Amino acid sequence: AQTVTQSQPEMSVQEAETVTLSCTYDTSESNYYLFWYKQPPSRQMILVIRQEAYKQQNATENRFSVNFQKAAKSFSLKISDSQLGDTAMYFCAFNPYNNNDMRFGAGTRLTVKP
Amino acid sequence: GAGVSQSPSNKVTEKGKDVELRCDPISGHTALYWYRQSLGQGLEFLIYFQGNSAPDKSGLPSDRFSAERTGGSVSTLTIQRTQQEDSAVYLCASSRRLAGGPLEETQYFGPGTRLLVL
Repeated sequence: AQTVTQSQPEMSVQEAETVTLSCTYDTSESNYYLFWYKQPPSRQMILVIRQEAYKQQNATENRFSVNFQKAAKSFSLKISDSQLGDTAMYFCAFNPYNNNDMRFGAGTRLTVKP
Repeated sequence: GAGVSQSPSNKVTEKGKDVELRCDPISGHTALYWYRQSLGQGLEFLIYFQGNSAPDKSGLPSDRFSAERTGGSVSTLTIQRTQQEDSAVYLCASSRRLAGGPLEETQYFGPGTRLLVL
């Protein structure tokens, strides 16, 4: 069975600074996808970034980037130049190739302080 | 439509009553998912629909839970004889994922229905 662990229930960062959210996962699969989703108070889950496991290059989306360490089964999210609108719950998710059962971590509540 | 919509946004019911939650996926999306998010928890997969194929029900927690998808579009999640532990936010997502295909396509989530069972 696949599990996803987010070891930081809550984090805070000053506006304009950089913060890293950690995520580890456990699987015997070799092909899979990893995702970071953001859930603001509106409850709308929004995809932040995704990574295909077969790609060695770390995914980047503007201020968001990941550090994917496949051997260590680690998938951290770095948010640069944090903005107040980044305040939200962040969920790490794992989905094996050709499988319907996406597994989510318990989430990290990020607060960006002015 | 512009995004996935769900109704109602909030539902309060009494223990033992049946509830129906509705999901309208993005037009053209063949894949539809239901998830449950309990307070302070991550998302729990419930069921997956792909076009007109038989759904993957492997995540449904009990036989009180059922779902259908009419015409390959709108989906309804039904919870019979609700229990207090059913209280949660129920999220629906859709994607362009093709039948038998890998999870290449991003899932787009609705705003969820917050269910409270008294």
